[in-house]
Amino acid sequence: KQEVTQIPAALSVPEGENLVLNCSFTDSAIYNLQWFRQDPGKGLTSLLLIQSSQREQTSGRLNASLDKSSGRSTLYIAASQPGDSATYLCAVNDYKLSFGAGTTVTVRA
Amino acid sequence: NAGVTQTPKFQVLKTGQSMTLQCAQDMNHEYMSWYRQDPGMGLRLIHYSVGAGITDQGEVPNGYNVSRSTTEDFPLRLLSAAPSQTSVYFCASSYSSGKNTEAFFGQGTRLTVV
Repeated sequence: KQEVTQIPAALSVPEGENLVLNCSFTDSAIYNLQWFRQDPGKGLTSLLLIQSSQREQTSGRLNASLDKSSGRSTLYIAASQPGDSATYLCAVNDYKLSFGAGTTVTVRA
Repeated sequence: NAGVTQTPKFQVLKTGQSMTLQCAQDMNHEYMSWYRQDPGMGLRLIHYSVGAGITDQGEVPNGYNVSRSTTEDFPLRLLSAAPSQTSVYFCASSYSSGKNTEAFFGQGTRLTVV
């Protein structure tokens, strides 16, 4: 059974600091990995999708890396803003999506 | 293009009542699934479907039924609601379950069972 872990569970940073969010998984036989953002009381918004053959994916200030051999993915958010405050979830797709519990980010103005 | 639409957004049920959570997608996706989200536990897969007429159980299927008569719709039925089913329910869809498949989620249904 795929186990997905996200550390830390919560993170608070001042505005402008770079964010580093970690995701680890136990079974490297995956199709892809997806990062989501969830605002309080809302649904999941897809941020980045990394295929198993890719090492990284970028979208604006967001960059996600994938190291299948070590079972790790990292989401980097450059120059954080208060609007980046949310919970970030990673999900591993090995036919079914398995989710981590998320990292709740607070960016202080 | 509405994406994935869930109704209702909020619902309160009494123990023992039954209800159906609706999910519809307009992207012609084959793969649809239902998750529940509980504090500190992440999202857990309840049931999924790889196409019309085909469904299967996920990690936490007990107390829930599904059917898939059309590509667009994937309703989730609670047969006899229990307080343990208080949760936020999310429906998701993707083109397929394999490679090159980005999953899209609905806005969720917040269910309280009293």
